[in-house]
Amino acid sequence: EAQVTQNPRYLITVTGKKLTVTCSQNMNHEYMSWYRQDPGLGLRQIYYSMNVEVTDKGDVPEGYKVSRKEKRNFPLILESPSPNQTSLYFCASSSDRGVFQPQHFGDGTRLSIL
Amino acid sequence: ILNVEQSPQSLHVQEGDSTNFTCSFPSSNFYALHWYRWETAKSPEALFVMTLNGDEKKKGRISATLNTKEGYSYLYIKGSQPEDSATYLCASPRPGNQFYFGTGTSLTVIP
Repeated sequence: EAQVTQNPRYLITVTGKKLTVTCSQNMNHEYMSWYRQDPGLGLRQIYYSMNVEVTDKGDVPEGYKVSRKEKRNFPLILESPSPNQTSLYFCASSSDRGVFQPQHFGDGTRLSIL
Repeated sequence: ILNVEQSPQSLHVQEGDSTNFTCSFPSSNFYALHWYRWETAKSPEALFVMTLNGDEKKKGRISATLNTKEGYSYLYIKGSQPEDSATYLCASPRPGNQFYFGTGTSLTVIP
């Protein structure tokens, strides 16, 4: 089954404790992206990647890192999480550079940083 | 920051009513316009990707139109059903492949 898998689904942690949210897709998609969803603000793009070893900043990259060492994986790293990063996070992937084909979303990761 | 705006923010309709809502986006450097449907506790699912001015796409009772010259798209739902209750998102990819989403229209269909 074609899917985007994120882990964990839920995480409560404390300020400053490094964490990684994994994202994996099995559709051989070139384009992968991370978004955060906050009430009243819509989905905001954090980082995106058009292929292996190619990553670009989205609208709200501060406090986040990503890597794209393999085509299927696009982890989101919070080196020193802070409470303002408490949010619902989605990973998505798409073929065709993400423009003319729809994005496929993971189930989301709800992060709470105390 | 690119302004992709959606209206109304929320909408309540009776079962059987038809409804529509709007997505507006900058018409310059237009590539495509995406519509997604997002049910509570699930992830967004793609409805349409539209590229050409005057495009009209349909999936069951849901259809969408696109006007790239004036920078807007309409989503129509004919004969709304309770299962249509969801948030409908539009998004515009821009040069460089960065995506901008609107804040969505939350639709509640009352049985």
